[in-house]
Amino acid sequence: ELKVEQNPLFLSMQEGKNYTIYCNYSTTSDRLYWYRQDPGKSLESLFVLLSNGAVKQEGRLMASLDTKARLSTLHITAAVHDLSATYFCAVVITSGTYKYIFGTGTRLKVLA
Amino acid sequence: DSGVTQTPKHLITATGQRVTLRCSPRSGDLSVYWYQQSLDQGLQFLIQYYNGEERAKGNILERFSAQQFPDLHSELNLSSLELGDSALYFCASSGSVSGSNNEQFFGPGTRLTVL
Repeated sequence: ELKVEQNPLFLSMQEGKNYTIYCNYSTTSDRLYWYRQDPGKSLESLFVLLSNGAVKQEGRLMASLDTKARLSTLHITAAVHDLSATYFCAVVITSGTYKYIFGTGTRLKVLA
Repeated sequence: DSGVTQTPKHLITATGQRVTLRCSPRSGDLSVYWYQQSLDQGLQFLIQYYNGEERAKGNILERFSAQQFPDLHSELNLSSLELGDSALYFCASSGSVSGSNNEQFFGPGTRLTVL
C-alpha cells in the first residue's frame, strides 16, 4: 500500500524556536510538494522539489528532498505565530496509475 | 487568490441526492484535479483531467464522476449521496499534463454537507 506519513501530526512550539517536520513515503518518487493550509481555507503551494538533494527556502521555511531515503523535511527557523497552520507534503506516483498522494498533515501551533 | 474558482461555496443536501460541483481553472491551465478532504480520511486525490481527457484516477467512488469541458472548466458529480460524503471538495489546476513540474493551484473549495 502506498503511504505518505508525516510526523509529528501535531506540533506546538514556542516562538523563536526551530523545528523540523518529516515526510516519509513508501514508494519511488522524485517529485514532492509541500503545502500550507490555514483553518477553513484552501491549500497554498509552498515548495516544489523535483530531484534528489533539492533544497528550497522561503523566509523561515526550508524544504529538502532525499529520494534515496524517501524522505523530505520541512525545517522551521525561529518560528513566529503567523506560521501556525497545517502543513501537508504530497508525493507524485508515476508507476502504474499516475496519482498524487497527500501526507496526513502536521498541525503546527506557534505559541507567543 | 489562486485564480481557481469553485462554485458553490457551500452545499447542503439530503442523503440519496445528487449534486454537481463546478471548477474553473486558472487561465491557461489545462489540468484540473479534484480532491476530497474530510476529518477521518484526510486529503484524498480523486481524479485528474487534462484538456478534456481523464489522465489519472485516485480514490474516486463509482457514485462520483467528473468531466472537463472544451472551455476547460470541470464538474464533479456526486450521486446517491451518503452521510460520509460530507467533506470539503477542492479543485486544483496546473499547466502541464503531468503536473509534476508545475505547482498545483487550489481553489477555495466547496463544503458539502449531507443530512
